[in-house]
Amino acid sequence: DAKTTQPNSMESNEEEPVHLPCNHSTISGTDYIHWYRQLPSQGPEYVIHGLTSNVNNRMASLAIAEDRKSSTLILHRATLRDAAVYYCIPTSSGSARQLTFGSGTQLTVLP
Amino acid sequence: DAMVIQNPRYQVTQFGKPVTLSCSQTLNHNVMYWYQQKSSQAPKLLFHYYDKDFNNEADTPDNFQSRRPNTSFCFLDIRSPGLGDAAMYLCATSREGVYGYTFGSGTRLTVV
Repeated sequence: DAKTTQPNSMESNEEEPVHLPCNHSTISGTDYIHWYRQLPSQGPEYVIHGLTSNVNNRMASLAIAEDRKSSTLILHRATLRDAAVYYCIPTSSGSARQLTFGSGTQLTVLP
Repeated sequence: DAMVIQNPRYQVTQFGKPVTLSCSQTLNHNVMYWYQQKSSQAPKLLFHYYDKDFNNEADTPDNFQSRRPNTSFCFLDIRSPGLGDAAMYLCATSREGVYGYTFGSGTRLTVV
């Protein structure tokens, strides 16, 4: 599994954009980059994933570096409900893919 | 709504007394996973079922076992819980060809 490096914690003000970085320099060429988040006392939830191109969905955007060694999860307008631990997880595309969680980034959103 | 349901939400068990945690899903996903999450740590995969095939992680203690009687249900059995097994246990599902896991809300196990 590719090793990831994320900041332990980040803070953001409510209604401002948040950029959550992740380094995954040992990612293989076929690994997808998944992002999950875990709200307090909840199971993790899927946020977004991508391979090479930038991706957008209703929750967030994912910007992937051209060399794929890093990526950034972008929350366009943080809300208090976005306070969670965010995990960046490179995962193979095969049917036996598994999620191996790193330490993640604890995002605090300030009112 | 289709979902992953874990029961109970909180479980207290005595040291050494066998305990079973349950997970059910209405998503018809063919893969089911069990994760252990200790306080302030990331979830750690214990094992998973790919259809009926059981796959154990190398470092999962023998004290932990699992059963999957059908597609919808999966159980985690802890034969002799120790104090170190106190944790949140998370069940997740996925489907081949579809990206994204769906997690349940977890069962918080306390060992007294």
